[in-house]
This record gives sequence, structure tokens and C-alpha cells, in this order.
Amino acid sequence: GQNIDQPTEMTATEGAIVQINCTYQTSGFNGLFWYQQHAGEAPTFLSYNVLDGLEEKGRFSSFLSRSKGYSYLLLKELQMKDSASYLCAVMDSNYQLIWGAGTKLIIKP
Amino acid sequence: NAGVTQTPKFRILKIGQSMTLQCTQDMNHNYMYWYRQDPGMGLKLIYYSVGAGITDKGEVPNGYNVSRSTTEDFPLRLELAAPSQTSVYFCASSYSSSGAYEQYFGPGTRLTVT
Repeated sequence: GQNIDQPTEMTATEGAIVQINCTYQTSGFNGLFWYQQHAGEAPTFLSYNVLDGLEEKGRFSSFLSRSKGYSYLLLKELQMKDSASYLCAVMDSNYQLIWGAGTKLIIKP
Repeated sequence: NAGVTQTPKFRILKIGQSMTLQCTQDMNHNYMYWYRQDPGMGLKLIYYSVGAGITDKGEVPNGYNVSRSTTEDFPLRLELAAPSQTSVYFCASSYSSSGAYEQYFGPGTRLTVT
């Protein structure tokens, strides 16, 4: 079966750095996406990785290791507005997204 | 650009009733999707469409139907609502199904079936 695993909840302090991990087992791989979802709102796109390595975009970076079936999202200089759920999704061989359950990130002052 | 819009935002249905969730996008995207999101679960694909007149089942299509008569609109029909269909429903669209083409999501419809 297809499976995406990520921690259910994480807590971090404002101004700090947090890393959210995602491991996956899917039938085929055509890229990995990270989305942010604030409570009661729609998911919004953060990043896309299809090759191994680190993609940096401002305070957010995303890393991929295809051989390990592993990705992480790194958030730097945390702000209160970063409190949200972070969804990991893998595009499988049918070009459909398989979604993890999301990691709820709580930022404390 | 309004992006992806969905109506209604909230709805309470009685068991056995039917309803249509509306979805419209103004980005001229060919690809459109319907997902449901349940607490503690990842988004599940219900149906998707690769263009006007073409639809296909996703992972959890039972109890739902779709149509795609225009590029802009992709309504989701619930027939004979059941409590298991209580969920948040998101419509999304994308330029392409492959590559680094993100999916844009509507604000969601929160449906309760009692």
C-alpha cells in the first residue's frame, strides 16, 4: 500500500528553527510537495522537490532523499503566523497526490 | 483572479438527502480535483477531471458523482447522504497533473450529515 508518515504535532519557540520530517512509501515517485494549512482554511503550496537535495525559499527550505524515501521541511526564524498544519504529499506513478495526515505546528512566544 | 471558489461554505444535511457542492475556477486550468479531509487523516481524492467532458474516479468515489461540462465548473453531487460523508470538502485545480504544477485549493465546504 501507499503510505506517508509525518509527526502528528510539534511545538517550537518563536524565533527558533524547526524541522518537520516526512517518510513515504508509494507506487512510483513524481515529486514531493509541502503545503501549509491554517486552521479552518485551505492548503496553500510551499515547495516542490523532485531531485535529491535542498530547495531554499526564504525562511522555508525543503529537502529530499529519494533513496531513503525521506523529506523534511525546515522553517527558520519562526513567527507566530507559522502556527499551522504542514502537509506532505507525494505524486505517485499515476500523477495523483498521496497525502500525509499533516503535522500541527504550535509556536510558543 | 478569484482563483477557486466553492459554495456553500457550510451545510447540514439529513440522512438520505442529496446536494451539489459547487466549484468554479477562473485560471483556465484543465485539471480539477475533489478531495475530502477528515480529522487526523490525509486528504483523500474523490474524483478528478483532466478537461471538459472527462472525469475519473479517485480513491474514495462511492456515494459521489461529478460532471465537467465546462473548463471552469466541476460540481460534486452527493446522493443519499450518509453520516460517513460528514467531512470538509475541498475542490482544487492545476495547470497540469505532472511536474512542479501546484494545486490551488478552494476555501472548502464543511458538511455535516445527521
